[in-house]
Amino acid sequence: NAGVTQTPKFRILKIGQSMTLQCTQDMNHNYMYWYRQDPGMGLKLIYYSVGAGITDKGEVPNGYNVSRSTTEDFPLRLELAAPSQTSVYFCASSATSTGAYEQYFGPGTRLTVT
Amino acid sequence: KQEVTQIPAALSVPEGENLVLNCSFTDSAIYNLQWFRQDPGKGLTSLLLIQSSQREQTSGRLNASLDKSSGRSTLYIAASQPGDSATYLCAVSDSSYKLIFGSGTRLLVRP
Repeated sequence: NAGVTQTPKFRILKIGQSMTLQCTQDMNHNYMYWYRQDPGMGLKLIYYSVGAGITDKGEVPNGYNVSRSTTEDFPLRLELAAPSQTSVYFCASSATSTGAYEQYFGPGTRLTVT
Repeated sequence: KQEVTQIPAALSVPEGENLVLNCSFTDSAIYNLQWFRQDPGKGLTSLLLIQSSQREQTSGRLNASLDKSSGRSTLYIAASQPGDSATYLCAVSDSSYKLIFGSGTRLLVRP
């Protein structure tokens, strides 16, 4: 299993541009999450999904959108990029079958908005 | 609102020392607690998960304990090695399974 994969690894955007960060997991996990990590800080939840077709906001959702059309994929859309969105973005997933909901993380996407 | 604090923010120790990293949280109504390791420029690796009904978990030289009533967890690393140098993150989840993270402890183990 590849686990959680994210693309791209790095990206530089100009202010006002848009982009989609891709996230795919091959563990058949129901739950998926998007976090951002600013320098020297912990991670903050942007959006999460408990299954295909179901998404909900996390702590810092402004400026982002998500969709979940399949169990495997959970893309994060940035509209009208702003310098405040410069960060490292992590996707994660967790299973419900074990009852533990342990989260597994992808390698991250480093985004710079200039 | 749940808040997670990790002390110290940074720690430097000589190789071979046993060390303790601390994590505290403000709301004891947690579902589980996870400890992660993060290497510079890399993603997060799950080290240990403690469910709310458990008191501790062990993996190799790592031992994590949980005291829900006092809102504390500790990560004990035995016989530290330079390869243990990384940032260690603590995170708690509530019944909705979302994780709330601390800011991490940056550990440097000197040869």
